[in-house]
Amino acid sequence: DGGITQSPKYLFRKEGQNVTLSCEQNLNHDAMYWYRQDPGQGLRLIYYSQIVNDFQKGDIAEGYSVSREKKESFPLTVTSAQKNPTAFYLCASRLSGSISDEQFFGPGTRLTVL
Amino acid sequence: RKEVEQDPGPFNVPEGATVAFNCTYSNSASQSFFWYRQDCRKEPKLLMSVYSSGNEDGRFTAQLNRASQYISLLIRDSKLSDSATYLCVVNPFGTSYDKVIFGPGTSLSVIP
Repeated sequence: DGGITQSPKYLFRKEGQNVTLSCEQNLNHDAMYWYRQDPGQGLRLIYYSQIVNDFQKGDIAEGYSVSREKKESFPLTVTSAQKNPTAFYLCASRLSGSISDEQFFGPGTRLTVL
Repeated sequence: RKEVEQDPGPFNVPEGATVAFNCTYSNSASQSFFWYRQDCRKEPKLLMSVYSSGNEDGRFTAQLNRASQYISLLIRDSKLSDSATYLCVVNPFGTSYDKVIFGPGTSLSVIP
């Protein structure tokens, strides 16, 4: 079955630690995205990538970093510079080049900073 | 003005009721539009794409009004299982095709 996987589902981190969230897709999609969602809030774009080895900052990129070494993978690192990292993180992918194609989401990772 | 705005909600309606949500967008050149559904603590899932002529899928009807720059979602004969947050999504033309804008969402609770 094609889809997007994210791991882990729940993640706990101590303050001052970096942590990496995994996102893998086997949909052969070119574009991948990372969003953050806080309780009762909408989705905010952190980073997105349209092709391998290229990515762009979204609206709230500070304190985060990404890489896109493979088409299937788009890991997100939450660094110690992110002041309030506790949130629900969602990864998505989309078939690039068509304005009518929707985004598909992974199940998300809940990050809690202790 | 925010790029995508939605009815603030929450909407609390009895089973069987008809409910409508509105979403406005600021970029008049926007080309494609979607409604997503998000259940509590879950990922968003596509409910409907919104076409210029409007489209219907069972109890759900989506409409687009380009002149007034809004889209709407109508749910007829509400079910308990319709309780969720509904997200309006706009894909703006002129910026990257691959960057979409999510509205803040409208919460719906269907009450027995």
